[in-house]
Amino acid sequence: KAGVTQTPRYLIKTRGQQVTLSCSPISGHRSVSWYQQTPGQGLQFLFEYFSETQRNKGNFPGRFSGRQFSNSRSEMNVSTLELGDSALYLCASSLDRAETGNTIYFGEGSWLTVV
Amino acid sequence: AQSVTQLGSHVSVSEGALVLLRCNYSSSVPPYLFWYVQYPNQGLQLLLKYTSAATLVKGINGFEAEFKKSETSFHLTKPSAHMSDAAEYFCAVSDPTGFQKLVFGTGTRLLVSP
Repeated sequence: KAGVTQTPRYLIKTRGQQVTLSCSPISGHRSVSWYQQTPGQGLQFLFEYFSETQRNKGNFPGRFSGRQFSNSRSEMNVSTLELGDSALYLCASSLDRAETGNTIYFGEGSWLTVV
Repeated sequence: AQSVTQLGSHVSVSEGALVLLRCNYSSSVPPYLFWYVQYPNQGLQLLLKYTSAATLVKGINGFEAEFKKSETSFHLTKPSAHMSDAAEYFCAVSDPTGFQKLVFGTGTRLLVSP
């Protein structure tokens, strides 16, 4: 079956603009989470959604937001872009069976460059 | 808070040599531990995970890891390196406040020379 799909794969934005990234989880997965990967900070958790509700949030400013739709697809938005927001943004999905240490599957990521 | 330490940002081995990538964790509760691999310009691929079923975990591509509670370690090994193993490897621990929230180590880049 199809994996986690992220669009767009690459994009370039200008400082001050906003950007929306999209993620389609693996079929049947209800939990979607987002991570930011940069050379300096590594992989950092942004937020997680389950049944259209944000369950967990990382330590990022309010410019970073997200949402989840009834079909589990998710979007994340970054407003008022800064140069430091240039990063690989990874979406991940899972079945949400915590007692089994469920596997979290990652997409290929969206490369955002802010100029 | 959970944390993961990966010793060595770069590890170099020759093709056919043993691969050993180190990971130590800090967790207030029994952890779920993961190893992921990232090839250039790609996302993360799960190699293996520890969920308390067995301390020696076998994963894909010939990798395995052993959970040692007394040493708070979860080192990744492979008996014989292949050129195709060259990539970045990340150890991660589940945050008990949310099992879908992973805390990652800083990563180890594996270089394999012929």
